[in-house]
Amino acid sequence: DADVTQTPRNRITKTGKRIMLECSQTKGHDRMYWYRQDPGLGLRLIYYSFDVKDINKGEISDGYSVSRQAQAKFSLSLESAIPNQTALYFCATSDFGGGTEETQYFGPGTRLLVL
Amino acid sequence: SQQGEEDPQALSIQEGENATMNCSYKTSINNLQWYRQNSGRGLVHLILIRSNEREKHSGRLRVTLDTSKKSSSLLITASRAADTASYFCATDAEDSSYKLIFGSGTRLLVRP
Repeated sequence: DADVTQTPRNRITKTGKRIMLECSQTKGHDRMYWYRQDPGLGLRLIYYSFDVKDINKGEISDGYSVSRQAQAKFSLSLESAIPNQTALYFCATSDFGGGTEETQYFGPGTRLLVL
Repeated sequence: SQQGEEDPQALSIQEGENATMNCSYKTSINNLQWYRQNSGRGLVHLILIRSNEREKHSGRLRVTLDTSKKSSSLLITASRAADTASYFCATDAEDSSYKLIFGSGTRLLVRP
């Protein structure tokens, strides 16, 4: 979905390096999420942000940090990459309107390989 | 731990057949959603069913929800090769801050 973009799309890095994955959205949504996907494990939530001043840890936040620079931008950093962080990373936004329904819109993903 | 668990993990059918996938969850929910993921791509929302609904249709998709059994099913009728993808259920628990929790998915292969 072109409304949610992720850069880079593919990244190879070495153990111990710091890297940043970036996400931008033009949907005007307040909520943004970072997930990682490993084969057979579905999606696991890393961090989420409900607005610019709100950052929350998800299920697997250790080894990761995030920055919500603006409503449209949410970056994920790996402070010191390790091989078991090799995965497919997705950014998502949602149009939660204060009720009980939330649909998420996903970016195309970043495939990360840590050597 | 994951809220939703899909069954089967993988499904292979012939084009034109129906495909049924199931999702079970653990806690009370506000609604349940199904998403589709083409290989290596982002997830795309398919359909949402509220906790007070029992069945919902959208084109060739039919979703049922049984809150007493904490389960849902996704039926794709008259499948096409283009339906080949992974399908995930996602729930938002009543006691959560409306974060979605995704299951591990069902990989569907539709053979031409």
